[in-house]
Amino acid sequence: SQTIHQWPATLVQPVGSPLSLECTVEGTSNPNLYWYRQAAGRGLQLLFYSVGIGQISSEVPQNLSASRPQDRQFILSSKKLLLSDSGFYLCAWSMLFGYEQYFGPGTRLTVT
Amino acid sequence: KQEVTQIPAALSVPEGENLVLNCSFTDSAIYNLQWFRQDPGKGLTSLLLIQSSQREQTSGRLNASLDKSSGRSTLYIAASQPGDSATYLCAAYGGSQGNLIFGKGTKLSVKP
Repeated sequence: SQTIHQWPATLVQPVGSPLSLECTVEGTSNPNLYWYRQAAGRGLQLLFYSVGIGQISSEVPQNLSASRPQDRQFILSSKKLLLSDSGFYLCAWSMLFGYEQYFGPGTRLTVT
Repeated sequence: KQEVTQIPAALSVPEGENLVLNCSFTDSAIYNLQWFRQDPGKGLTSLLLIQSSQREQTSGRLNASLDKSSGRSTLYIAASQPGDSATYLCAAYGGSQGNLIFGKGTKLSVKP
C-alpha cells in the first residue's frame, strides 16, 4: 500500500531564516505531487504541483519554491521566511490529475 | 474560476442523529469531487470520491451525492457518533490542470 511521509512535524523558525520541508511517497511510482498550505481562517491553498522529476508548476507567487529531485520526493523551500509563511503545510499525491488525492500528516510551521 | 462554498461553517448535533453537510461549487465543468475529513492538527483523510459521471457514492455510514447541474454536493452521515467529530472538507477538481479547489470546511461536533 502507499504511504506518504512529511517531516518535520512541527517547526519554529525566525523571520529571515531558510526553510526546507520534505515529503516522500512509498509504494507507487511516478505520482503527481502537491504542496498545499492551510492558514488560519482560510481554506487549503495549492502552492506547487509536479508531474515528474524536475517538473514544477507554481500556483501562487510567493517567496517559496519547490523541487523534485527524485521520483517520490518533493521539497518545499524558502531562502528567507516571512511571518506570513506561518501555517500548516500539507503534501499530497495522486496517480493522475483529477483522480483521488491522498494527503500526508502535515508540517506545522510557525515563523516568529 | 472555480469557487467552493461549504455551509454551515460549524454544526453541533446529538449522538445518533442523521445529518447532511452541504457543498456548492460555481463551475459545473468539474472532473470529480472529493470529500475529506480533518482531525485537529492532522492531515486530510479521503472519505469519498465522486466521479463526474456518478451521482453518488457510499462508504459505510457515509453517502455523498453530486448534482453538477445545480453545482451541489452533499455528504450524508447516518447515525452520527462522537468519533465523527471533525472538520469535513469538500474539494472540486477543476481548472486547466484539474487541480483541487477546497471549501473552508464544516466543523462537526457530535455530542454524546
